[in-house]
Amino acid sequence: SQKIEQNSEALNIQEGKTATLTCNYTNYSPAYLQWYRQDPGRGPVFLLLIRENEKEKRKERLKVTFDTTLKQSLFHITASQPADSATYLCAFSNYGGSQGNLIFGKGTKLSVKP
Amino acid sequence: DAGVIQSPRHEVTEMGQEVTLRCKPISGHDYLFWYRQTMMRGLELLIYFNNNVPIDDSGMPEDRFSAKMPNASFSTLKIQPSEPRDSAVYFCASSKPGEAGANVLTFGAGSRLTVL
Repeated sequence: SQKIEQNSEALNIQEGKTATLTCNYTNYSPAYLQWYRQDPGRGPVFLLLIRENEKEKRKERLKVTFDTTLKQSLFHITASQPADSATYLCAFSNYGGSQGNLIFGKGTKLSVKP
Repeated sequence: DAGVIQSPRHEVTEMGQEVTLRCKPISGHDYLFWYRQTMMRGLELLIYFNNNVPIDDSGMPEDRFSAKMPNASFSTLKIQPSEPRDSAVYFCASSKPGEAGANVLTFGAGSRLTVL
């Protein structure tokens, strides 16, 4: 069956360092994937989208990579700040078109210490 | 736009009671999704609609769950009868396919359900 795994439930890092979160998938051939941020008591908020034919995408301090050979996506936050503390979710869809639901990982809770 | 609006934000009920959760999607979005989130299982898709028509309800746990979308601006998720294991946060999300046809979801704030 299709499976998505985020490498750890929690990640603690020091302010200023780069946070790297991992998302792996099996039995799946996604057309694109997305990363969302979720704060306590709130719904997930979209951050970045990357397509299967794109290796890397950047937005300000955020960077996402997509390796279809390794079946893995990495999400980086450079120069991390305490305000980056949240749970980050990856999500895949196996459709390139407008159909298809998003299947989410369970998330990684990032804590950035000052 | 006020975003995706869900009600109620919190619901506490007793086992066996009927629960109705409501969602107003963003105007112009033609996809609507219902998700359930728990610590154990994460965010699970229950059902999604396209232009008010249910497309995939394979995630609906059992017949006790039903969802409707009578028009483009309103959807309900109903649980009857409710059970303690239904306790979770239920999210509604809407989208309008954009880049490469990808569905980028806008979530509501969620409805936290506790069934005693």
